This record gives sequence, structure tokens and C-alpha cells, in this order.
Amino acid sequence: EDQVTQSPEALRLQEGESSSLNCSYTVSGLRGLFWYRQDPGKGPEFLFTLYSAGEEKEKERLKATLTKKESFLHITAPKPEDSATYLCAVHGNKLVFGAGTILRVKS
Amino acid sequence: GAVVSQHPSWVICKSGTSVKIECRSLDFQATTMFWYRQFPKQSLMLMATSNEGSKATYEQGVEKDKFLINHASLTLSTLTVTSAHPEDSSFYICSAHEASGQETQYFGPGTRLLVL
Repeated sequence: EDQVTQSPEALRLQEGESSSLNCSYTVSGLRGLFWYRQDPGKGPEFLFTLYSAGEEKEKERLKATLTKKESFLHITAPKPEDSATYLCAVHGNKLVFGAGTILRVKS
Repeated sequence: GAVVSQHPSWVICKSGTSVKIECRSLDFQATTMFWYRQFPKQSLMLMATSNEGSKATYEQGVEKDKFLINHASLTLSTLTVTSAHPEDSSFYICSAHEASGQETQYFGPGTRLLVL
């Protein structure tokens, strides 16, 4: 059974304090690993798709990387508006989500 | 990215009534749409895969007679929660692929259902 584990569950950062979120996964036949951002009471907002180990993608202050067992979402110099829940999901036979990391960035 | 809308954004109903939720792809055609449920402080769980012109595929443990899915066109899928009970109260979210063969799913804004 495909599984996704995200850590930490919650992360508090000061504005400008860079950090990384982890997503460990097991999947039979990876068809893609996805990162989403979810704000309270809203649907997930697409951030990145990664398909193979070694792949990296960047968008503003976010950078996602992928290995055969895990993915990292690096946040460089975060701002308060980056506060949200970040969800990782893998697609084997279906999309399976992790529990998410709640990020709070204080000014 | 692709835009997916849902209606209504929130609904309150009495126990025993039925509620219909619409999911629309606004700027693309979607042969397949997905329905998820999210309980407070939990992640998204796939309920069913909605296929245009054919029957939906339900995940294990999801009652097909309770959660009726209709995908009548390439831009619209509906989820009807029949005879709703308080335990059905949840956040329901739909998604769709932007194009055939693309794995990325784009999500709607969600529908908050509260059954009294």
C-alpha cells in the first residue's frame, strides 16, 4: 500500500529563517510526487510535480527536490504569507496524501 | 494552471435530506474528476473517481448508494450525499486533470457540509 509520511507536523519560523519540510514515501510505480499548499477552509493549491529522482523545481521562495525515498520542500527566507499547510502526495494507482506540515511564519 | 470550481462553498442541512455538490472545470475538459473528503486536521482521502459517460469507481469503504456521482459532461461532475447524517459533515473537494495523460490534479475550493 502506498504511504506518505510528512515531517515535522508543525513548524514555526521567524521571517527570513530558511528551513525544509520532509516527505518520505513508499509507492509501487511512482507516476509523480506532488506538493500542494492548503490555506484554512480552501482546496489545495498546486505547487510542484516531480517525476524522477534528482529532479528539482523552484518557484519564488520554494524549491522541491526528489530522491527515490523522499522529497524536500525548501523554503528560503520565508514571509508571513507563506504560512499554510503544505501537503505532499504520491501517485501510484491513485493520489495518496500525507498528513501535511503546518507552517507558521512570524514577522 | 487549470481552474476548478465548486458549488456551493458551504451548505447546512437537516439530517435525512440529500445534498448535491457541483464540480466544474472552467477552462478545460475533464474526462476524469476525483472526489475527496477531508475531516478536521486530517489529510485528503480519495472517495471516488468520476468518469465522464460511465459509472464512478469508488474507494473501499465508500458507500456508492450514499454518495451518488454523476459525470454527465466533460466539464461537470456532481456528488450527491443522500440521506445525510451528522457523521457525513466534512469538507468535500473535487479535482481534475488538466489534460489527458497529465498526472497533476487541480483542486476546487471545496464545499463545507454541516448536517444537523
